[in-house]
Amino acid sequence: NAGVTQTPKFRVLKTGQSMTLLCAQDMNHEYMYWYRQDPGMGLRLIHYSVGEGTTAKGEVPDGYNVSRLKKQNFLLGLESAAPSQTSVYFCASSSVAGGLTSTDTQYFGPGTRLTVL
Amino acid sequence: SQKIEQNSEALNIQEGKTATLTCNYTNYSPAYLQWYRQDPGRGPVFLLLIRENEKEKRKERLKVTFDTTLKQSLFHITASQPADSATYLCALAKRGNNRLAFGKGNQVVVIP
Repeated sequence: NAGVTQTPKFRVLKTGQSMTLLCAQDMNHEYMYWYRQDPGMGLRLIHYSVGEGTTAKGEVPDGYNVSRLKKQNFLLGLESAAPSQTSVYFCASSSVAGGLTSTDTQYFGPGTRLTVL
Repeated sequence: SQKIEQNSEALNIQEGKTATLTCNYTNYSPAYLQWYRQDPGRGPVFLLLIRENEKEKRKERLKVTFDTTLKQSLFHITASQPADSATYLCALAKRGNNRLAFGKGNQVVVIP
């Protein structure tokens, strides 16, 4: 069981370039999330998905797009990278919510450190 | 506006003592609260969850309390060890909503 994996681990982009971050999970989780973590800001939700084929905006969605074509994968795209998108990006997944026994524990990947010059 | 506040100053504590971290929130009515641990260069790892109708939860040397009247959770590490040095994040979730809102985290440094 690999859990949640993210590729790449590091990336340097020039302003205006595009890229896609890949997140994969092997726990059969319905829910997947993309966060960014900046010094002094904590984890902020970019986009999330409640199932295959669905996506929704989080707290800071501007400048990012996502797709969930397969249940196990959640892709985060930057169409035209800006220096303000320099950050560490984390993907997470969780099982279906609901019921008094649900824990909604989120399992995080190791992160992608992105620098935009 | 909704806020989740954790102490921004690192907590330096002697090995063997109890470390206590605070998570305060405003304008939330969380169904439950979670605590995560994050080591440098790694993703957060779930530690404990406590629900709105629970006062206290324990797991090994960890203890969490939840006071919905004070809108506060306390996180305790008893008999702290250098290996407990990390940043600890609290996170709140509303009922029926899988989205977690995270605090900024509080660093703990356990001094041998």
